[in-house]
Amino acid sequence: EAGVAQSPRYKIIEKRQSVAFWCNPISGHATLYWYQQILGQGPKLLIQFQNNGVVDDSQLPKDRFSAERLKGVDSTLKIQPAKLEDSAVYLCASSLGSGGRGETQYFGPGTRLLVL
Amino acid sequence: DQQVKQNSPSLSVQEGRISILNCDYTNSMFDYFLWYKKYPAEGPTFLISISSIKDKNEDGRFTVFLNKSAKHLSLHIVPSQPGDSAVYFCAASDGTYKYIFGTGTRLKVLA
Repeated sequence: EAGVAQSPRYKIIEKRQSVAFWCNPISGHATLYWYQQILGQGPKLLIQFQNNGVVDDSQLPKDRFSAERLKGVDSTLKIQPAKLEDSAVYLCASSLGSGGRGETQYFGPGTRLLVL
Repeated sequence: DQQVKQNSPSLSVQEGRISILNCDYTNSMFDYFLWYKKYPAEGPTFLISISSIKDKNEDGRFTVFLNKSAKHLSLHIVPSQPGDSAVYFCAASDGTYKYIFGTGTRLKVLA
């Protein structure tokens, strides 16, 4: 079974530029998550989709971050414009069901973003 | 406000010995806890979980203990192997889908 795929793996941009990350979840997984992991911290949930609907985006900085899940499968996360503090690893995860407690989340390898 | 804390950023253990990784939490509403393991350049992978109705859960060499009164959980790895060298994150949930992760502990198992 293929895992969660993410691209690119690394990205370096200058502040005020825009960037987009792509995620392809495990086939058949209904729920998709985007996390931000700043160096030295644990992953922090940015947004959760169930199929193509948003379940929770309370921690997404909506003035600069946006995300969509096309047809309930792939997802893109965009930052526009980027700030220095956005430097982090962006992790995508998926789970089979509705994302309830106890449901295992499967993580992709992440995209490491460096904003200069 | 860090609701889930892993106060030891790193730990070194000899191969064959026990590794004990600790995690403390502050939110008494947390009732489900997980441990994830992360290798460099990979995403975290689920390791083991425990519900607050239990105080111990075992899976092979991995055992998680939960002390609700102390708001403390620990992961024991016995015996430790070099392949266990990774960063370990604990995470907690208050009954919703949302997990709050700790900052991680880097375990190095010395051959």
